[in-house]
Amino acid sequence: NAGVTQTPKFQVLKTGQSMTLQCAQDMNHNSMYWYRQDPGMGLRLIYYSASEGTTDKGEVPNGYNVSRLNKREFSLRLESAAPSQTSVYFCASRGTGGVAGNTIYFGEGSWLTVV
Amino acid sequence: AQTVTQSQPEMSVQEAETVTLSCTYDTSESDYYLFWYKQPPSRQMILVIRQEAYKQQNATENRFSVNFQKAAKSFSLKISDSQLGDAAMYFCANRGRGGSEKLVFGKGTKLTVNP
Repeated sequence: NAGVTQTPKFQVLKTGQSMTLQCAQDMNHNSMYWYRQDPGMGLRLIYYSASEGTTDKGEVPNGYNVSRLNKREFSLRLESAAPSQTSVYFCASRGTGGVAGNTIYFGEGSWLTVV
Repeated sequence: AQTVTQSQPEMSVQEAETVTLSCTYDTSESDYYLFWYKQPPSRQMILVIRQEAYKQQNATENRFSVNFQKAAKSFSLKISDSQLGDAAMYFCANRGRGGSEKLVFGKGTKLTVNP
């Protein structure tokens, strides 16, 4: 099925470890996003990418890096995980123009626990 | 700054009744979109309704409608004839138009539908 695919779905990390969350979309979308969702905080934007090769900081970028090497993929990296980064992470993408331009497609989420 | 505020952490409604969820926003963009998303327990984000700021007519989608007050920067969601399947978290969101890709969400409102 077409859509946004995130991996892994679940991950437990120890404090200080690094990991990369992968995200891929097969809808030829230009825009991609990474959010984290915490109880009572809603969805907070970490980074976003308007097109291949470009990235911008969102509301809560500290402690994260991103990479948009091609149009399909947008990865999120935690260089040195901290317990405060325990969260559910969502990747999303958006098309351009008309109805597609207003529709955001979300992945199913990645549950990350840092102990 | 681009912010979205949902002042009602939780709301409840009786089945078949009407409920209104509140949202206010702030943006420096001269033109923008506003959205309401639904997130059921499965965590998948579902677009409920969208409004283009330059359109004065309020958007409607079946039982869902909005009250868009541009001067007051208010964007409330009205759900008519509430159904048990409407129970979910509802998020208000804002995105600039014409280049800006930053999509910002509110903290959400948890809607309970009582039989």
